Amino acid sequence: KQEVTQIPAALSVPEGENLVLNCSFTDSAIYNLQWFRQDPGKGLTSLLLIQSSQREQTSGRLNASLDKSSGRSTLYIAASQPGDSATYLCAATQGGSEKLVFGKGTKLTVNP
Amino acid sequence: GAVVSQHPSWVICKSGTSVKIECRSLDFQATTMFWYRQFPKQSLMLMATSNEGSKATYEQGVEKDKFLINHASLTLSTLTVTSAHPEDSSFYICSARKGSYNSPLHFGNGTRLTVT
Repeated sequence: KQEVTQIPAALSVPEGENLVLNCSFTDSAIYNLQWFRQDPGKGLTSLLLIQSSQREQTSGRLNASLDKSSGRSTLYIAASQPGDSATYLCAATQGGSEKLVFGKGTKLTVNP
Repeated sequence: GAVVSQHPSWVICKSGTSVKIECRSLDFQATTMFWYRQFPKQSLMLMATSNEGSKATYEQGVEKDKFLINHASLTLSTLTVTSAHPEDSSFYICSARKGSYNSPLHFGNGTRLTVT
């Protein structure tokens, strides 16, 4: 059974700082891993999807990496802005299915 | 883009009543939609997979007679919480893929259900 863990649970940084969010998963037999952003009381916005055959994906100031052998993914945010403040969720597919298993998220606060 | 619309965004109901939540894919067809539940400070938990034209597949521990799912068309899935109780109060979110299993999952904005 897939389990996804995100560390840290919360992170507070000053504006302009580069930061890394961590995600680990127990079952390396994934189809893909996806990073989402969730604002308070809202649904999820898809940020990046990394397929199992890929090592990283980039979109603007965001870069996500995937290391299946170690069961880890990182989300790198460059030059953080107050508007980046949100909860970031990592989700990995489970055991040969397309079902996504979510971590509990990292709550990011970027201070002006 | 791929837009998933969920309605209502919030609902308050009394114990014992039923509540229907709609999930629509606005600009694409989705043969499969997913329903999640999120309790405060917890992660999203998959409740069931909704399949167009067939029965939904429920996750272990989710009562199929309590959480009725109907996927009547390629753009609409509904979740009905029957005989709601205060412990059913939660944030319910639907999602759908535009494309194959290696396509991103797109989410609705969620429905905050409060049962009094």
